[in-house]
Amino acid sequence: QVQLVESGGDLVKPGGSLRLSCAASGFTFSDYYTSWIRQAPGKGLEWVSYINSRRNTVKYADSVKGRFTISRDNAKNSVHLQMNSLRAEDTAVYFCARTNSDWYYFDYWGQGTLVTVSS
Amino acid sequence: DIQMTQSPSSLSASVGDRVTITCRASQTISSYLNWYQQKPGKAPKLLIYVASSLQSGVPSRFSGSGSGTDFTLTISSLQPEDFATYYCQQSYSTPWTFGQGTKVEIK
Repeated sequence: QVQLVESGGDLVKPGGSLRLSCAASGFTFSDYYTSWIRQAPGKGLEWVSYINSRRNTVKYADSVKGRFTISRDNAKNSVHLQMNSLRAEDTAVYFCARTNSDWYYFDYWGQGTLVTVSS
Repeated sequence: DIQMTQSPSSLSASVGDRVTITCRASQTISSYLNWYQQKPGKAPKLLIYVASSLQSGVPSRFSGSGSGTDFTLTISSLQPEDFATYYCQQSYSTPWTFGQGTKVEIK
């Protein structure tokens, strides 16, 4: 069965860095895009970034552009989100999601990993 | 950026009720509209994609309709497990954006 498992969430000080990982299994990973979506405590969903299957296209929300970098390793069925210059407003649960490459919907999600930015 | 506006923001309904949630896009998005259900402490779950296609394993009481700027999610007969928050999402252009959510509560 399709499974996505995030890891790497932690408590970090403002200005700090963190690297999130998403391990995929149960499907042909290289056939799909992968996205990161976040949810601040008690708030709605915000798309953060996506990377296409061939790693030659990445997109970011304006709120993280220049600070976050998405990457993937198709050999290891994993996606990473490098987060630098973290701010309090980046505090959220971060979900990775398998993304359909034609219509761009998120058909499978991980359980999420919590990032807390606080001094 | 394309703004997605859901209405209502919350609603109270009884088991067996027919429930309708609407989602409006700030510009045309063709059929690039998806619906998700989220329960507290859980990841969202895809219900409907491309405006009206039912995701595998989702009960047939859920349906979606619309195109262009106006979309609807309908639950034909609300069940106890359907009490949750529902989000629409446009995938027409990045940044992909979500509606603010509609919380469906027990009356």
